[in-house]
Amino acid sequence: SQKIEQNSEALNIQEGKTATLTCNYTNYSPAYLQWYRQDPGRGPVFLLLIRENEKEKRKERLKVTFDTTLKQSLFHITASQPADSATYLCALVPSGNTPLVFGKGTRLSVIA
Amino acid sequence: GAGVSQSPSNKVTEKGKDVELRCDPISGHTALYWYRQSLGQGLEFLIYFQGNSAPDKSGLPSDRFSAERTGGSVSTLTIQRTQQEDSAVYLCASSLFDRGSTDTQYFGPGTRLTVL
Repeated sequence: SQKIEQNSEALNIQEGKTATLTCNYTNYSPAYLQWYRQDPGRGPVFLLLIRENEKEKRKERLKVTFDTTLKQSLFHITASQPADSATYLCALVPSGNTPLVFGKGTRLSVIA
Repeated sequence: GAGVSQSPSNKVTEKGKDVELRCDPISGHTALYWYRQSLGQGLEFLIYFQGNSAPDKSGLPSDRFSAERTGGSVSTLTIQRTQQEDSAVYLCASSLFDRGSTDTQYFGPGTRLTVL
């Protein structure tokens, strides 16, 4: 069956450290993968998109990698801050004509 | 407007009543989505519109749920004979998704539905 799994429901890290979140997928061949941030009481907000032919994408303190052999994407936040505390969702497009499928998310808490 | 808007922001209803939730997508966005999110849970896909057509209704939990979209713009999600398990936040999103465009979704603030 097709699955998107995010490594843990919750992740706690100390301020200043690098947070690494994992997204694994099974039985999909996505053309691209996205990461979203969701704060409590709000809808998700798009952060980054990475295509299957891209190994890495960066935006400020964020870095995303995409390994189609391992069927995995890693999402890194460097020099993490308490304001980075939120739930992070990965999402992929199963095929060219079908919309995004979301993972359940990982709740990140950055502790000062 | 600049973003996706949803109304009402909060809705409290009695079990057995019907409710209508509204979504105004970003102008020009061809695709529109409805999701449900229970407290502390992930997004549950309900239905997706491309224009006024719904190619995928697979997520609607029962025949009490229906949705329509008119004029390729506003959408309403209707829940008939509400049950307590329908209590959740209902999120709407829109995107430019079609052949050749990525499905980057922009979400509204949600409608919090409470069924007493």
